[in-house]
Amino acid sequence: KAGVTQTPRYLIKTRGQQVTLSCSPISGHRSVSWYQQTPGQGLQFLFEYFSETQRNKGNFPGRFSGRQFSNSRSEMNVSTLELGDSALYLCASSRDRGTYNEQFFGPGTRLTVL
Amino acid sequence: AQSVTQLGSHVSVSEGALVLLRCNYSSSVPPYLFWYVQYPNQGLQLLLKYTSAATLVKGINGFEAEFKKSETSFHLTKPSAHMSDAAEYFCAVSESGGTSYGKLTFGQGTILTVHP
Repeated sequence: KAGVTQTPRYLIKTRGQQVTLSCSPISGHRSVSWYQQTPGQGLQFLFEYFSETQRNKGNFPGRFSGRQFSNSRSEMNVSTLELGDSALYLCASSRDRGTYNEQFFGPGTRLTVL
Repeated sequence: AQSVTQLGSHVSVSEGALVLLRCNYSSSVPPYLFWYVQYPNQGLQLLLKYTSAATLVKGINGFEAEFKKSETSFHLTKPSAHMSDAAEYFCAVSESGGTSYGKLTFGQGTILTVHP
């Protein structure tokens, strides 16, 4: 079974631009969560989608948004990019919203903002 | 609110020595606990998980962890380190129900270096 895939793997953008990252979960998984990883702040939860609805959200500004499609694929969007948005963005999928929330991670998208 | 503290941002051991990576958690409800490993330029790989079935949990690559409620700890151990164990390790906590679904709270990570 294929794992979680994320595209693109690397992105370079300039301040003020916007960016869209894509995540395809493991087949049969319906929950997708997004995380931001930076050297200073570590791994921080962005949001979680299930059945095309955002169910949980971390403490990030409204510039960070996402969506989920009927096939469970998810995208996240960052508008008006800032230098501090440079990070590794990780997507994780779970089978459902059940008990212990085991999440499987993709390889990440490395975003660099210049 | 849930939180995780990993003691020691860097741990260095010799090949063949015991690996001990420390994790303490805070949770208002019985937690679910995880250890993940991250190799350079890769995502996170699940090593093991505690879901209240047994306090001693065995994972992949010879790692295990023991849940100690009285100490709010979930330390990761491996009897004999291998060069391939060099990576960054993350402890994470999840709470069941309510607004915690889909959210893992991670510790700051511990970089493990293995010397020949």
